[in-house]
Amino acid sequence: DIQMTQSPSSLSASVGDRVTLTCRASQGIGSRLAWYQQKPESAPKSLIYDASTLHSGVPSRFSGSGSGTDFTLTISSLQPEDFGTYYCQQSISYPITFGQGTRLEIK
Amino acid sequence: EVRLVESGGGLVQPGGSLRLSCEASGFTVSSKYMSWVRQAPGKGLEWVSIIWAGGITKYADSVKGRFTISRDNSKNTLDLQMNSLRVEDTGVYYCARDVDNTNFKEVWGQGTLVTVSP
Repeated sequence: DIQMTQSPSSLSASVGDRVTLTCRASQGIGSRLAWYQQKPESAPKSLIYDASTLHSGVPSRFSGSGSGTDFTLTISSLQPEDFGTYYCQQSISYPITFGQGTRLEIK
Repeated sequence: EVRLVESGGGLVQPGGSLRLSCEASGFTVSSKYMSWVRQAPGKGLEWVSIIWAGGITKYADSVKGRFTISRDNSKNTLDLQMNSLRVEDTGVYYCARDVDNTNFKEVWGQGTLVTVSP
């Protein structure tokens, strides 16, 4: 199974900050990576797929990059509504696996 | 509008069975990769199963042989038959539609809670 490791596990940042979250795969996955945002008591929301493609309706302050084993999710200017837990997920092989999540708190 | 609505969750004893259903609107379930993803209380996301548009199914090792994913084309639903339930199967179960045939989730349901407890 491909292990997905996210860092940091939690993060506190201020409105307007540039925030970068990291996801590392235990083996190369090309660009087969997605990012999801989940707020408490809510279903996940899809943000990015194929490492860098934004889903329709996702604000342009979100961006994704990387390939192979190392990936990043960047929020260029943090907004109050961006709090929540962010998960990465590899899609190249079964079982599909998620990272353990990065909890983002707004200061 | 594309929408997914899960139902069928509830409280069941260990060893029991439950059948979850996910009603889709705005698209045809049989034309897409459709998945179940679960989340134990206070934990992260865990992929459970997928059914391809062509009918091929895949399962996480933790549920293989106990869970069965299927579609009801007449009702346009995705189903998950869960047998031999264990305490560790407790959690919120989400159905999700994938982007084309990519294993990337693009649309999620609101989830249904399954509690396995004596």
